[in-house]
Amino acid sequence: KAGVTQTPRYLIKTRGQQVTLSCSPISGHRSVSWYQQTPGQGLQFLFEYFSETQRNKGNFPGRFSGRQFSNSRSEMNVSTLELGDSALYLCASRSRTGGNTEAFFGQGTRLTVV
Amino acid sequence: AQRVTQPEKLLSVFKGAPVELKCNYSYSGSPELFWYVQYSRQRLQLLLRHISRESIKGFTADLNKGETSFHLKKPFAQEEDSAMYYCALSGGAGGTSYGKLTFGQGTILTVHP
Repeated sequence: KAGVTQTPRYLIKTRGQQVTLSCSPISGHRSVSWYQQTPGQGLQFLFEYFSETQRNKGNFPGRFSGRQFSNSRSEMNVSTLELGDSALYLCASRSRTGGNTEAFFGQGTRLTVV
Repeated sequence: AQRVTQPEKLLSVFKGAPVELKCNYSYSGSPELFWYVQYSRQRLQLLLRHISRESIKGFTADLNKGETSFHLKKPFAQEEDSAMYYCALSGGAGGTSYGKLTFGQGTILTVHP
């Protein structure tokens, strides 16, 4: 069964622009979470979607938003990019939300803001 | 607020030696604890979770609620164990952080031949 797929793998954007990242979960998985990974802050939770509804949100500004479609695919959008948004963005899918359910991670999208 | 602390950024051992990666957590409630591993050029993947009480690749971890710790142990380290290890916590059912994974900063384990 195909794993979690994130596109694109690499992105270079200019400050002030916006960006959209995509995540296709494992078939049958309805929960998709997003994480930001940086050398300084490590892995930080952005938000989780389940059945097209945002279930949980981390401590990120409103410039970070997401959505989930009826086929469970998810997109994350960052508007008005700042240099500090440069990071590896990871998506994880689960068969159901929360608890002790294993999270399967994608390979990430490397975003560079210049 | 929930927090996970991994005090060692780097840990080096020789092949065949015991290894222990430390993890302490802070959470007011019943947490779910995990260890995730990332091998070189591979994606982050689950190693084990406390509720399963299983041994994976020779690794075990015991949840100590009194000390709020979830240390990862292996009696005889192998070179292929070299990787980045993350301890993570998720809130239990009904909690506001249900579904959110909070990660520690990670420990890079290097096993020398």
